[in-house]
Amino acid sequence: GQNIDQPTEMTATEGAIVQINCTYQTSGFNGLFWYQQHAGEAPTFLSYNVLDGLEEKGRFSSFLSRSKGYSYLLLKELQMKDSASYLCAVRVIDTDKLIFGTGTRLQVFP
Amino acid sequence: EAQVTQNPRYLITVTGKKLTVTCSQNMNHEYMSWYRQDPGLGLRQIYYSMNVEVTDKGDVPEGYKVSRKEKRNFPLILESPSPNQTSLYFCASSLKVGHDLSYEQYFGPGTRLTVT
Repeated sequence: GQNIDQPTEMTATEGAIVQINCTYQTSGFNGLFWYQQHAGEAPTFLSYNVLDGLEEKGRFSSFLSRSKGYSYLLLKELQMKDSASYLCAVRVIDTDKLIFGTGTRLQVFP
Repeated sequence: EAQVTQNPRYLITVTGKKLTVTCSQNMNHEYMSWYRQDPGLGLRQIYYSMNVEVTDKGDVPEGYKVSRKEKRNFPLILESPSPNQTSLYFCASSLKVGHDLSYEQYFGPGTRLTVT
């Protein structure tokens, strides 16, 4: 079966660092995506990992361990505009299908 | 501007009245997909298409139909809408993925559908 788990909600303070975890169990793994979604808006792409290790893009980094079925998204120097939901999604090989987790709602406080 | 467009953005309708939500992309993407998003359930795939005239069921296809007659368009059809289809719908597209490529999906702005 396919299963993706991430925390439902997290809070953090402006300027701080927050780590959002995602664990998955899927057959035919072909990459993991992180998307950001502000309330009522479309998801927008943040990062992609297919090999183990850390990918860094400015204030955002994403890590993958395929053997552990685990990824995290690291957000540094948090800003108020980072308040949003963060969606972890796993791509299934051969179909390009994306399986989404239910998302982690992050609230950043001043 | 590269984008995915959906129409309408908001729709209130009654049970049983057929409706179509259009989706169009201008990026020459092969892959297109429809999702619905419900509180606590996340994004769930309804149907997808890997190219023209090729469509497949996703996780929640019941009550929906799609077609892919042209590369740019992928309409979602609800033949007889019911209240449990009240949801936020997103269309998405991407280049067809090769084994080593990291093409992300681009999402349309969403269509909020209410069926009474």
